[in-house]
Amino acid sequence: EPEVTQTPSHQVTQMGQEVILRCVPISNHLYFYWYRQILGQKVEFLVSFYNNEISEKSEIFDDQFSVERPDGSNFTLKIRSTKLEDSAMYFCASRRSTEAFFGQGTRLTVV
Amino acid sequence: EDQVTQSPEALRLQEGESSSLNCSYTVSGLRGLFWYRQDPGKGPEFLFTLYSAGEEKEKERLKATLTKKESFLHITAPKPEDSATYLCAVQISGGSYIPTFGRGTSLIVHP
Repeated sequence: EPEVTQTPSHQVTQMGQEVILRCVPISNHLYFYWYRQILGQKVEFLVSFYNNEISEKSEIFDDQFSVERPDGSNFTLKIRSTKLEDSAMYFCASRRSTEAFFGQGTRLTVV
Repeated sequence: EDQVTQSPEALRLQEGESSSLNCSYTVSGLRGLFWYRQDPGKGPEFLFTLYSAGEEKEKERLKATLTKKESFLHITAPKPEDSATYLCAVQISGGSYIPTFGRGTSLIVHP
């Protein structure tokens, strides 16, 4: 069964460092998302991406964040200068029609 | 203002003790309502999509129903392996198709 895959599963980084989280969406899906979930809190929308551009973003997705689809399969989230409060699980999701399917997440720990 | 409210926050059941989880929503137009299951440290796993009041979907011990204001996830004769957090998300009609999540209900089923 096709699935969304994310790498790495866990990343520890120092405050102020740049991180890139990687996702391979399901192959025939057209819409891509990044969400985050701070420990104990709800899953929050960050950004949606369609046709090689951002279609919508939340207030959380500030200038420190960027997304790219560098090739036909990968979808990345970059955080330029990480802060302690960026520590969270980051989920990638993709959809073709209505339902969004999620990856297993990357746990980002900023120290 | 939360658009999606789930209750209870946590639920403990004995194996075989049936119960229901609630998801109420306050959006002006619903395109779709989704139920996901989330295991600790993992991404949301898609369960059901409901589109219109009166609709029902079933999968093993789970049955999801939808009214104009809320959805229920009924769990019949649960087993310990049903222990997880159950998330509800909505898509608003006429807007972006971005799922907006509730905080979830943490279910523990004791053997």
